[in-house]
Amino acid sequence: EAEVAQSPRYKITEKSQAVAFWCDPISGHATLYWYRQILGQGPELLVQFQDESVVDDSQLPKDRFSAERLKGVDSTLKIQPAELGDSAMYLCASSLDFGQGALAKNIQYFGAGTRLSVL
Amino acid sequence: GQQLNQSPQSMFIQEGEDVSMNCTSSSIFNTWLWYKQDPGEGPVLLIALYKAGELTSNGRLTAQFGITRKDSFLNISASIPSDVGIYFCAGQSSGTYKYIFGTGTRLKVLA
Repeated sequence: EAEVAQSPRYKITEKSQAVAFWCDPISGHATLYWYRQILGQGPELLVQFQDESVVDDSQLPKDRFSAERLKGVDSTLKIQPAELGDSAMYLCASSLDFGQGALAKNIQYFGAGTRLSVL
Repeated sequence: GQQLNQSPQSMFIQEGEDVSMNCTSSSIFNTWLWYKQDPGEGPVLLIALYKAGELTSNGRLTAQFGITRKDSFLNISASIPSDVGIYFCAGQSSGTYKYIFGTGTRLKVLA
């Protein structure tokens, strides 16, 4: 069964260091999402790509976070410099498509996540 | 950021009991999804709902899309120990097509 791949699964870093997370969506999925999930809460969207273009990064702290999906397939999320408050689970999800049309194509499938601890 | 209200927040039940949880919003949604998340893992899709009033089952799980399009319900029948986890709802806004997640219901099953 096709899955969303994420790495690393766990990352421990010191504050002010740079960290990067990688995501490979399900093959053929045009839409890719990065979420942040704080312990005890639901996921919150950071950035959404349609192919290689950013369609929503309104909740991305752009002073320290950046995301790219250069060839419209896999994606990287970077934090520089990391702060203590960035400790969380970072989830990647993908969907066939986004927006109007068959709603089933909008269903998001998640990877296993990267748990970040900033010391 | 915005999160949907889920209740109950947590529940402890005996194995074999039925479970009910719900998710409410002040906005109208055109899709409701229910996910289960195990500790340290990503959410796994359980059920997807696309129409108001729709009732859909997946094994022992049954979910309903509320008539008002502002709520959804998930029922688990005859709970078993592996049902333990956090259940999240997610509603897709009819205007923006963005998904908003609920605050989660933490389920613990006592054998």
